Amino acid sequence: SYVLTQPPSVSVAPGQTARIPCGGNHIGTKSVHWYQLKPGQAPVLVVYDDYDRPSGIPERFSGSNSGNTATLTISRVEAGDEADYYCHVWDSSSDHVFGPGTKVTVL
Amino acid sequence: QVHLVQSGAEVKKPGASVKISCKTSGYTFNKFAIQWISQAPGQRLEWLGYIHAGNGNTKYSKKLQGRVTITRDTSASTVYMELSSLRSADTAVYYCARDLAGYRSVYFDSWAQGTLVTVSS
Repeated sequence: SYVLTQPPSVSVAPGQTARIPCGGNHIGTKSVHWYQLKPGQAPVLVVYDDYDRPSGIPERFSGSNSGNTATLTISRVEAGDEADYYCHVWDSSSDHVFGPGTKVTVL
Repeated sequence: QVHLVQSGAEVKKPGASVKISCKTSGYTFNKFAIQWISQAPGQRLEWLGYIHAGNGNTKYSKKLQGRVTITRDTSASTVYMELSSLRSADTAVYYCARDLAGYRSVYFDSWAQGTLVTVSS
């Protein structure tokens, strides 16, 4: 089965840049999507197809994907960005697979 | 505006079944699939299955095959997910989400608020 890895947590000061890696075997050959989860709220899609942003998502959110690592980058981090972030891919043998999630803490 | 709203929290005993509804609005119901995803406490998101609202085609995760059934009521633009033979490990928040076709795979562009299902004797 296909497995995704993420660091449990990332801490960043306001105004700085947070980078959240998502590791997977040859993940660069797959499309990676990212979701933001906050307690008690509906999850929000923040990046799809590696680097595209849905309407309404700030340009501060960007993505990249190459080799064995995809990365969600949050520039000029704000307090409201504090949340759990999950990467997601589809794999022919495993169907939809999610990473373990990364908790972003704004210091 | 796309909107998905789920039914409220449920408490069930082991061995029972639970059926959660996901009412959609703001788009043409028959043109999209609805996916179901769960998140147990402290765990990652887990894909459960989907139904295409137009033709009713379904696919379920191998892990839950035989215990999960997803149906839809086109007249009510509502999708249902029923999970049977509940066990404590099924305690989780269950989400429905609409999917969109991306470059190489589908992604989940709009989610509902989630339904907490607690399985306890």
